[in-house]
Order: sequence, then C-alpha cells, then structure tokens
Amino acid sequence: EPEVTQTPSHQVTQMGQEVILRCVPISNHLYFYWYRQILGQKVEFLVSFYNNEISEKSEIFDDQFSVERPDGSNFTLKIRSTKLEDSAMYFCASSEDRDLFYEQYFGPGTRLTVT
Amino acid sequence: DQQVKQNSPSLSVQEGRISILNCDYTNSMFDYFLWYKKYPAEGPTFLISISSIKDKNEDGRFTVFLNKSAKHLSLHIVPSQPGDSAVYFCAASARIYNQGGKLIFGQGTELSVKP
Repeated sequence: EPEVTQTPSHQVTQMGQEVILRCVPISNHLYFYWYRQILGQKVEFLVSFYNNEISEKSEIFDDQFSVERPDGSNFTLKIRSTKLEDSAMYFCASSEDRDLFYEQYFGPGTRLTVT
Repeated sequence: DQQVKQNSPSLSVQEGRISILNCDYTNSMFDYFLWYKKYPAEGPTFLISISSIKDKNEDGRFTVFLNKSAKHLSLHIVPSQPGDSAVYFCAASARIYNQGGKLIFGQGTELSVKP
C-alpha cells in the first residue's frame, strides 16, 4: 500500500540552526501538508501546498518557515533559525484530489529536538 | 484553540463490546469531519469521514454519527478488538473557508481494548 515517508525520523539541532525536514508524499497525490504536534498538545496545521505554491498557512507558519517541492517526489519543510519552542513532532501529509481533499494521509513524523 | 474537543482522554473497553468515542465542536462553519487513529511512533491514519449533509457514515466495524444541532459527533467501533487500541483523533474542516485543506484536531482519546 502506498504511504507517505519522512526523513529523518529524529533530528537534533542547536538553537539558531537551520533544519530541513523531508517528505515523500504518495505518488499520485496533488496536495501536500505539514502539521506539528508539540508534546502533550494537539496536532496543529502549519501549511498546505498545491501546484507549487502555498494554498493556506497558519499563524504558526511565520517567516522562519518555508516549504518547497524541489523535484517531482520530495516535499520539504525548512526552519531557518530554530527556537526551543520548535521542538515537536512534524508530520507531512498528502491527499489525492479535490473530492478527497480532506482525507489526508500522514507520514510517520520527524521528531525535532532543539537544544 | 478549543474549536474541536474530545473530553475523554482515555477509554477502556472489553474485547467484543462497543467502543464509543465522542467529539464536540464549536464552529458552526465546520462541514466535514474525520476520525484518525494513531499508534505510538506512527503518524495519524485516516479511518472514516462524514460530510455535514449526512448524519451517519458506516465502514465495516466503524460508524460515525453526526448531530449538527448538538455540534457533536461520535465514532462507534463494533465489535472492538485489541488491535483497535490506539489514540483516536477527531478532526474538522470548514471547506468553504479553508480552501487549503486545513484540518483542526481534537486532543485525542486513548482507547484500550482489553482481551
């Protein structure tokens, strides 16, 4: 069964450093998303991406964050200068088409630890 | 952000019996609801969804009920199996406003099905 994959599974970085989290969405999916879950809190929407541009972003997704689809398969989330409060589980998701837009399929997540 | 609430952090059920997981929402603009299941160290897995034009949707052992007047939905699992033990998240979206696919999640309910 096709699945969303994410690398790395765990990333440790120092405050102020840049990190790039990588995702490979399901191959025939057209919509891509990033969510995060801070330990003990809800899963929160960060950004959605369609047709090589951001469709929607939350207030969390400030200038420190960016997303890119550098080739036909990868979808990346970059945090330019990490803060302690960026420590969280980051989930990538994808969905197939407009009719199934909201049935998003999630990857296993990348645990980001900022020290 | 308390737009989607799952008031029971945990639920324990005997194998073979019914599990009922509840979710309340406050935003009357929500028109699409989903349930996700999450195992430790994995991403959320899509289970079942329901549009606001329906009051029930069934898929095998899983049925979701929507009561729009009460702003309440529930997930019924019958019969419950030990493999159903996981954290269950309710999620909602206001499609007319959130053209980018943003899902708003509840806090989750941890279901334990005992043999």
